[in-house]
Amino acid sequence: DGGITQSPKYLFRKEGQNVTLSCEQNLNHDAMYWYRQDPGQGLRLIYYSQIVNDFQKGDIAEGYSVSREKKESFPLTVTSAQKNPTAFYLCASVSGPLTIGGQPQHFGDGTRLSIL
Amino acid sequence: SQQGEEDPQALSIQEGENATMNCSYKTSINNLQWYRQNSGRGLVHLILIRSNEREKHSGRLRVTLDTSKKSSSLLITASRAADTASYFCATDAYGYSTLTFGKGTMLLVSP
Repeated sequence: DGGITQSPKYLFRKEGQNVTLSCEQNLNHDAMYWYRQDPGQGLRLIYYSQIVNDFQKGDIAEGYSVSREKKESFPLTVTSAQKNPTAFYLCASVSGPLTIGGQPQHFGDGTRLSIL
Repeated sequence: SQQGEEDPQALSIQEGENATMNCSYKTSINNLQWYRQNSGRGLVHLILIRSNEREKHSGRLRVTLDTSKKSSSLLITASRAADTASYFCATDAYGYSTLTFGKGTMLLVSP
């Protein structure tokens, strides 16, 4: 079955440590997104990528970095510069540019990151 | 911010009752989408309504859109305990290639 796989499901970070969250999709989707969700809050966009080797900052990119070397993969690194990284991180993908008729986003099941 | 706002923040009903959630947004949109999130899981797309549509149905779901008031509503009829989840609206604004999500409505359906 096609879908989006996020790993790990739970992740713990020590002070001063960088951690990388994995997001893989086999839907052949062009665009991929990373969101952060805090308790009782909506989703806030961290980074997105519409094609391989290209990505743009979202609303809260500070302290995060991404890469898009393959169409299927869009890993997110939470760097030590992100002082409040505890949150639920969601990855999503969509088949084409949103400007073409609107497309629903497909989501993974998230990674919960906590600080040790 | 063009973020939408859902109302109410939380809703508690009995099985069999209808649940209505509202979403307001700030800028002109291309389309509006509703998503559902079960606790600890990712979001699942429910329904998309375009700016030139006023109402759309999918099973027990009915969505309306009033672009003059910049608002939308999601009606779930004959609710079931399995409908317990958070529901989010998301807008796709002209000139933007991203979705903007609201803070969600938490729905609890009791047996």
